[in-house]
Formats: sequence, C-alpha cells, structure tokens
Amino acid sequence: DSGVTQTPKHLITATGQRVTLRCSPRSGDLSVYWYQQSLDQGLQFLIQYYNGEERAKGNILERFSAQQFPDLHSELNLSSLELGDSALYFCASSRGASANYGYTFGSGTRLTVV
Amino acid sequence: AQKVTQAQTEISVVEKEDVTLDCVYETRDTTYYLFWYKQPPSGELVFLIRRNSFDEQNEISGRYSWNFQKSTSSFNFTITASQVVDSAVYFCALSEENSGGYQKVTFGTGTKLQVIP
Repeated sequence: DSGVTQTPKHLITATGQRVTLRCSPRSGDLSVYWYQQSLDQGLQFLIQYYNGEERAKGNILERFSAQQFPDLHSELNLSSLELGDSALYFCASSRGASANYGYTFGSGTRLTVV
Repeated sequence: AQKVTQAQTEISVVEKEDVTLDCVYETRDTTYYLFWYKQPPSGELVFLIRRNSFDEQNEISGRYSWNFQKSTSSFNFTITASQVVDSAVYFCALSEENSGGYQKVTFGTGTKLQVIP
C-alpha cells in the first residue's frame, strides 16, 4: 500500500457523461498530481495542486477540471466524456511543491467510456 | 525540448538472466532529475530510484543497478539474476524546471519486461 488512495478503482460510463475521480494523498504530502495513461499517449501529466492551489498544468483538456480541498484530497472532474477518454488515471503525491524528489502513485482509476 | 526515449518496447528473458533496460534523454538544462518507475501487472506505479544530474555515481540496490552517463545522456537500468516477479513495465522519467518555475516531468513510453520461468 503506497499510502495514496484512489477511488473508484474502475468506472464504466457512457459518452457525454460526467465523472469524478477522487484521490487522497499520502499522509504529510501537500502536492497532488494527476496523470492519464492511455495506450497511444503513454503517461501524460494533467495537473498539479500544492496545498490547495493549482501549481502546474500539463495536457489537460478544457472538459477536465480538478481541485484540491482543505483536507488535501483532490478530485478530477471529467465531463462530456468521449470514447478517447478511456484510460487509466493516476494520482500521485509528494511532500513539497517540487516534482524533483519523485512521486508516490496511487493504484489508479480505470475509466472505460462506452 | 525535453524527451525520454526507451527504445526497447518489449524484452523477454529467462529467469536468472541479467537484463538491461535502456533510457536515453534529451534536455537543455544542466540541472535535472532522472527516475525509474516499475508498473507490475497489478497496475500501480512504484518509484525505484531518483538521480540528479550532478551525481554520476552508479547505484546498486540488491539485484538492481543503474548506470548514469551524462556523456551519452543515458540512464540505464540493469536487473541481475532476473526473477519472475520482475515482470513489469518499467518507465524512465526526466524532471527539469521550465520557464514557469515549476518542474516538468516527462515519462518514456516504457519497456515491458517478461521474465520466463
């Protein structure tokens, strides 16, 4: 158990729908990162939050949004879902704001859009 | 531009053989960090090692060793006496600071290692 908790583990939904993925970082970690892993795109960085504030943005679509709450858990909202959004979504956490010390990853949420 | 290349898509070895996973990177920065992560069939990503650009000492951890060579921009990973439990996808990653003041982490496409009993 890495200490990073992601729920749900699996999600199947229809095109056009909206889903929310949840992540609780490892105890003491202030940064949360979201990654998307798909077969054709590999691991793509979406967004980072540090202590409640957005810190860095990657290849995140406008249909996607995220936030980090005062208790440091984070949610990734995916809306107007398309078949191509089917992927494994990982959350990772780190102690500080820097990504230079490596991440601790959660076990991921597998999203299937049908 | 920042780039990580793992040219080996899949490797199969017989148990107890040694295997080296290659990682070549591109960066314009003098300060950067390199990582290896393991993704077993269960799916989670496990941190293995971090190396900064100023430390070219090779590292050994049990059956795992890493060879960092700045001259060839490579950070290769060797597993000695491979075991079935080593079967996984291994990712190399590069972190460098971008113009916005935050770190950009780029992952390679991964090498799938299959260890055959």
